[in-house]
Amino acid sequence: AQTVTQSQPEMSVQEAETVTLSCTYDTSESDYYLFWYKQPPSRQMILVIRQEAYKQQNATENRFSVNFQKAAKSFSLKISDSQLGDAAMYFCAYRSRGRGGSEKLVFGKGTKLTVNP
Amino acid sequence: DTAVSQTPKYLVTQMGNDKSIKCEQNLGHDTMYWYKQDSKKFLKIMFSYNNKELIINETVPNRFSPKSPDKAHLNLHINSLELGDSAVYFCASSAPGTWGEAFFGQGTRLTVV
Repeated sequence: AQTVTQSQPEMSVQEAETVTLSCTYDTSESDYYLFWYKQPPSRQMILVIRQEAYKQQNATENRFSVNFQKAAKSFSLKISDSQLGDAAMYFCAYRSRGRGGSEKLVFGKGTKLTVNP
Repeated sequence: DTAVSQTPKYLVTQMGNDKSIKCEQNLGHDTMYWYKQDSKKFLKIMFSYNNKELIINETVPNRFSPKSPDKAHLNLHINSLELGDSAVYFCASSAPGTWGEAFFGQGTRLTVV
């Protein structure tokens, strides 16, 4: 079974600075997807960024980028120019390349990010 | 328009009661899910449905019974509620195609007293 580990329960960053959230996973599959979700106090789960395992190029979405190391099974999230609105729980998630309803998300335990003004 | 909507957003009920949570998606997705987020924020899959057919049932007590009347709706009925059922329950649907990106509802906070 796949597992996802986020080793940092809490992180803090100064506004406008850069922070990196760590995520490692365990799988025997060669093709899969990885996601970072953000959960602000409103409780809504918001997709931040996604990565397809067979693509070597790291995904980037505006101020958010990932460092995907497939051999090391590592998928870290870098937030540049942090803003107060980035404060939230961040979840790393793994999804198999199944279809037809078998493709569940496996989540890490989350990292609570605080942004200090 | 809300893509995945759940009702109610909050639910407070006594032990032993039966309650239902409803979910609807207007994205045209074939697959819907129920996830449970416990008090430590850990999210775990409970069920998945594809075109009204149950696909995943992740060791959930029989007191939890999902029902999908059509592919746009997935409801969760819980019998004989227990204190340990208190959690946030998320409905989600996933897009067809390669990514299968999941879109989440706003969650239902269930408190059993």
